[in-house]
Amino acid sequence: SQTIHQWPATLVQPVGSPLSLECTVEGTSNPNLYWYRQAAGRGLQLLFYSVGIGQISSEVPQNLSASRPQDRQFILSSKKLLLSDSGFYLCAWRTGTYNQPQHFGDGTRLSIL
Amino acid sequence: GQQLNQSPQSMFIQEGEDVSMNCTSSSIFNTWLWYKQDPGEGPVLLIALYKAGELTSNGRLTAQFGITRKDSFLNISASIPSDVGIYFCAGQLGSNDYKLSFGAGTTVTVRA
Repeated sequence: SQTIHQWPATLVQPVGSPLSLECTVEGTSNPNLYWYRQAAGRGLQLLFYSVGIGQISSEVPQNLSASRPQDRQFILSSKKLLLSDSGFYLCAWRTGTYNQPQHFGDGTRLSIL
Repeated sequence: GQQLNQSPQSMFIQEGEDVSMNCTSSSIFNTWLWYKQDPGEGPVLLIALYKAGELTSNGRLTAQFGITRKDSFLNISASIPSDVGIYFCAGQLGSNDYKLSFGAGTTVTVRA
């Protein structure tokens, strides 16, 4: 069966520091991968998605970037964090086949001080 | 993505009650999904709907894909305390669409 792993689960970072959040999927090949941010008590905002290695689509211009160095690895990065980058970051995957739903990881709680 | 209108925004449940929530859109969707999110965790898929008029159950949960393809509802029968959480609807516009549109969520809490 397929599983998705996100780490770290929680992270406290100072303003201006770099960021690297990692997401990996097991048990499937060539998945579509997604990064979302969720502000407290709010809905899900799509940040990036990828349909293949090295292919990144950005949905919202911002302080973050994403990379997909391997088929089942998706990384969310920032060179300098802002206070507004605080939130709950979720990675999701789905198979590349027709109409399949997305499945989410357990998320990373990011607090910027 | 397209904005989905999810209602109610919040609701209180009493154990044993049946509850209902729905999602509407101005666009026609190809797929409707319902997720539940517990505090501090990622959303978990509850039900996926692929055909207009489809009615699908998962235990005490029942969801329907509206005939117009612009709406969906989720019913929870005989609520129990662990039903608390945030429920999200999501829709996919086309079969080749990589993205989902999400509703803002319905927060379900237990009535004191």
